[in-house]
Amino acid sequence: ETGVTQSPTHLIKTRGQQVTLRCSSQSGHNTVSWYQQALGQGPQFIFQYYREEENGRGNFPPRFSGLQFPNYSSELNVNALELDDSALYLCASSLTGATQYFGPGTRLTVL
Amino acid sequence: DAKTTQPPSMDCAEGRAANLPCNHSTISGNEYVYWYRQIHSQGPQYIIHGLKNNETNEMASLIITEDRKSSTLILPHATLRDTAVYYCIVYPRRNRDDKIIFGKGTRLHILP
Repeated sequence: ETGVTQSPTHLIKTRGQQVTLRCSSQSGHNTVSWYQQALGQGPQFIFQYYREEENGRGNFPPRFSGLQFPNYSSELNVNALELDDSALYLCASSLTGATQYFGPGTRLTVL
Repeated sequence: DAKTTQPPSMDCAEGRAANLPCNHSTISGNEYVYWYRQIHSQGPQYIIHGLKNNETNEMASLIITEDRKSSTLILPHATLRDTAVYYCIVYPRRNRDDKIIFGKGTRLHILP
């Protein structure tokens, strides 16, 4: 059984650029959630996708958007990057309502 | 806001039991208590969860008070590899709206 994977591991962008982060969910899981974790803080919920539809959103602006594909993998897109977007971005997959399993994260640095 | 309260940090000697407390006085009847941990710069790792009965698995034990307003995670024989931030979270398990609200957790230091 393959766990949750994320790509890339690290990346560096400049202010105003756009970024796409990718997540492959654990086999059999139909729900993907995305979290942002700033240094020294707990993860903050961005949004969740269930069967290709957004199913709940945290307090993040519209420039944070996502997609879920038929194979349940997912993308997180962030437009017009700001310095405060520098963080560890975590993806977690689950079966509906069950335990969430996290990937290793993508470390984004915005200069 | 997180529905749980945890001490910001704790120390435990290697080989001893680590007992991590969590208060969740506003827990709802359909909400489970979950524990995750996060080792430096890695993704959070699921440890254990429970509704009202005590639970045990290969990693830890979870003790939930009868009124469900607090719980304790027990690592029976702590090792240096257990040094991590431990998060106690409550949320409905069988619910499509299953986003997790993390607090700041407890930073557990295992001392050699």
